[in-house]
Amino acid sequence: NAGVTQTPKFQVLKTGQSMTLQCAQDMNHEYMSWYRQDPGMGLRLIHYSVGAGITDQGEVPNGYNVSRSTTEDFPLRLLSAAPSQTSVYFCASTPSRGRKDNSPLHFGNGTRLTVT
Amino acid sequence: QQPVQSPQAVILREGEDAVINCSSSKALYSVHWYRQKHGEAPVFLMILLKGGEQKGHEKISASFNEKKQQSSLYLTASQLSYSGTYFCGTAVSNAGGTSYGKLTFGQGTILTVHP
Repeated sequence: NAGVTQTPKFQVLKTGQSMTLQCAQDMNHEYMSWYRQDPGMGLRLIHYSVGAGITDQGEVPNGYNVSRSTTEDFPLRLLSAAPSQTSVYFCASTPSRGRKDNSPLHFGNGTRLTVT
Repeated sequence: QQPVQSPQAVILREGEDAVINCSSSKALYSVHWYRQKHGEAPVFLMILLKGGEQKGHEKISASFNEKKQQSSLYLTASQLSYSGTYFCGTAVSNAGGTSYGKLTFGQGTILTVHP
């Protein structure tokens, strides 16, 4: 059971380039989300999805795009990379438990992105 | 707004105890606690729900004061393996009681345990 898989692990981009960070989970979790982690800032939510075909913005969505065509995959697209997007990106998933929120987030191993 | 964690850093010797606090300005439905080792993904420790239900780790305990919107993580008889950065993640109350994994995290508390 692989859990949450993120690719690539490391990426260097030049300003203005675009790329897609991949995230896949094999646990049949309904909820998936993307966080970025910067020193001293904790984890900040970029976008999240409550199921296939449904996405919504988190607290720092600008410059990022997402889609959810399947339950398993939740890619994050950087439209035009900027140095401010240098960060570590984590994808997370959690199962639906109906109306009771007692399920932990399962995190991928992260993608370390540097924009020069 | 992000919940506020205190202290920002703690240094312990093996066997000592520590308390990490998490405080929010919003009405909370649940508080999650995670530990992250350097270069790794955060790992789940504990969930505390409004109403008193808890789910988590055997050797780590936590409390949730719903009136004050505060949670505390208690690390007793610390071990070297406890070293890492601890994050609280909060889910605000809503009618459905479901956060959709939409947690707001604190800035983290760095815990260092020395032999």
